[in-house]
Amino acid sequence: AQSVTQLGSHVSVSEGALVLLRCNYSSSVPPYLFWYVQYPNQGLQLLLKYTTGATLVKGINGFEAEFKKSETSFHLTKPSAHMSDAAEYFCAVSSPIKAAGNKLTFGGGTRVLVKP
Amino acid sequence: KAGVTQTPRYLIKTRGQQVTLSCSPISGHRSVSWYQQTPGQGLQFLFEYFSETQRNKGNFPGRFSGRQFSNSRSEMNVSTLELGDSALYLCASSFDRNTEAFFGQGTRLTVV
Repeated sequence: AQSVTQLGSHVSVSEGALVLLRCNYSSSVPPYLFWYVQYPNQGLQLLLKYTTGATLVKGINGFEAEFKKSETSFHLTKPSAHMSDAAEYFCAVSSPIKAAGNKLTFGGGTRVLVKP
Repeated sequence: KAGVTQTPRYLIKTRGQQVTLSCSPISGHRSVSWYQQTPGQGLQFLFEYFSETQRNKGNFPGRFSGRQFSNSRSEMNVSTLELGDSALYLCASSFDRNTEAFFGQGTRLTVV
């Protein structure tokens, strides 16, 4: 079974400061990894994903994440926070095994507050 | 290209009733997955349909069911509603296995 842990349910950052959201996973096989963002009363939007290849992944809106297999982590960063980054962020995993289909297992989410 | 469309956006039902939610995936996508989002349990996988067949199922009671039509549109049904079924129900469509999932805006169900 897969699981995802996001450290910190709430994070507060100042505008212009580094955003760091932590994600650790547990999986019997190297999973596919995703970060999604959710704005109030909206669905989820994909920020970035890791399947294979380069472990540093760049996504939309200036976000990037690094897959570290030895640490079973996939932390999300953005060098300079913008007010529009205030939202909830979800880390998710899926299995590369065919039988698992497209099932996503999500972490609990981290709500980001950006202070002016 | 139109995105994933979920209808209705908001729904209020009474305990014991049943409800049907609809999801129209992106054109050409054959996989539709459903998720329940609540403050207490977070995002939980309900089930996935691919080419009209249920491919995967989460850990929910039999009151939760779904189906997919030949045009890939999907519906989920919840019978005998309970207060705890109040949630945001999200639908996601994907072209195929292990391809990017695109989410709809969700249906917010309130059970009173």
